Amino acid sequence: AQSVTQLGSHVSVSEGALVLLRCNYSSSVPPYLFWYVQYPNQGLQLLLKYTSAATLVKGINGFEAEFKKSETSFHLTKPSAHMSDAAEYFCAVSLTTDSWGKLQFGAGTQVVVTP
Amino acid sequence: DTGVSQNPRHKITKRGQNVTFRCDPISEHNRLYWYRQTLGQGPEFLTYFQNEAQLEKSRLLSDRFSAERPKGSFSTLEIQRTEQGDSAMYLCATGTGGDYGYTFGSGTRLTVV
Repeated sequence: AQSVTQLGSHVSVSEGALVLLRCNYSSSVPPYLFWYVQYPNQGLQLLLKYTSAATLVKGINGFEAEFKKSETSFHLTKPSAHMSDAAEYFCAVSLTTDSWGKLQFGAGTQVVVTP
Repeated sequence: DTGVSQNPRHKITKRGQNVTFRCDPISEHNRLYWYRQTLGQGPEFLTYFQNEAQLEKSRLLSDRFSAERPKGSFSTLEIQRTEQGDSAMYLCATGTGGDYGYTFGSGTRLTVV
């Protein structure tokens, strides 16, 4: 079984400041890990994914995340927040042994960007 | 390639009525998933198709729910005798496997009154 915990349901950051969204997972086998972003009344857009290659993963819109096996973490960062980053962010895990590749999502973190 | 298309975008129905949603995947995507997202929560897996075969169903998918993908292309999700607890966003995601980075549609928001 696997699960995802996102620390902080709401995060407020100033424009230009660092964005840090925390994600911890539990998994009985090596995981695949993902970050998705969701804008109001929209579906989810893939930001980046870890699939057992490089542990530092770069995604779209200037986001990146680092897989740390020892800490079972996959935190998402962006050096400088833009107003357009205001959205909800979801961390998700999939088991490498799951042939069907279904995703287990965290509860999400709502990001507010203030001028 | 116009992405994953879901229709309708919004559906308001009375309790007890049946509803059907449709998902049109990206043409070369053989994997298709349905997820349900309630307010303030992440999406929860409902069911998975590989081509036309339904290979997994979540325990969340009660007997009132049925999904089909008759020719391995579009898929439908039907809810019979809707209940207020069915109110949610229903999301479709498709992919080719391997990299496991699926493309989500914009979802169908169901409101049961």
